[in-house]
Amino acid sequence: NAGVMQNPRHLVRRRGQEARLRCSPMKGHSHVYWYRQLPEEGLKFMVYLQKENIIDESGMPKERFSAEFPKEGPSILRIQQVVRGDSAAYFCASSPNPLRGAGGNTIYFGEGSWLTVV
Amino acid sequence: DQQVKQNSPSLSVQEGRISILNCDYTNSMFDYFLWYKKYPAEGPTFLISISSIKDKNEDGRFTVFLNKSAKHLSLHIVPSQPGDSAVYFCAASDSLRGGADGLTFGKGTHLIIQP
Repeated sequence: NAGVMQNPRHLVRRRGQEARLRCSPMKGHSHVYWYRQLPEEGLKFMVYLQKENIIDESGMPKERFSAEFPKEGPSILRIQQVVRGDSAAYFCASSPNPLRGAGGNTIYFGEGSWLTVV
Repeated sequence: DQQVKQNSPSLSVQEGRISILNCDYTNSMFDYFLWYKKYPAEGPTFLISISSIKDKNEDGRFTVFLNKSAKHLSLHIVPSQPGDSAVYFCAASDSLRGGADGLTFGKGTHLIIQP
C-alpha cells in the first residue's frame, strides 16, 4: 500500500451533505482507479481516470457521484447529497500504465476512506 | 452477474499446513489474474499475479495456479503462518481493454490460521 495516499481515512456525513474523498497516486503513476466496498461485499470498480481524463466510469452511479483527476493535485471522488446507502469503504488504486496481460502491471491500493452517513 | 467467484467465504487452516484458496471466473476474455490480501480497516495489498500465458507462478510461500480450460485459479500458501490470517481477494482483468473496467474482484475468502 505504500505510496497511494487517501484522505480522509474516516468521514462522517449527514444525509444530504457532500462527501469529498481525495487520492494521491504513487509517484510516477498517472492511472487512478476508484473502488467501493460495501459491507460483506468485494470491491466494485467505479471509475478509471488518467490525468485530466475519465477513461471509464461504467461503475459509477448515474447520479450524485463524480470523479476528477486534475493536472495538478489529487484525484477526487465527490458524492453529492449523500444517503445512508453510500456508507462504504472507498479505495483508490494507481498504476504506472494501463493494465496489460503478459508482464502486466499491478495496481496498488491506498488504505481506503471509510464513509459513514448518519 | 458475478464474473469472478470465490465460493468459500471462509477457510480455517492449521499453522504450518497448506492453505488453498480457490477462484473461478466466467469471462473468457480475462487474461491477467491477481491475488490481494486485506486486513481489516486497511487497503488490499498485492500478493501475486499470473498471466494467461502461464499456468503457474511462484513467489516464496505463495504459488498461483491457473487452469484456463476450467476457468479456475488457486492460491497456495505453504507453510501457513498466523500472519496470513486475512481476507484474500481474487481479481481478474481483460488486458485488451487497457484498464477500462479496472479489475474485477471476487467477494473474498477469509483465511483463518489456527495455532
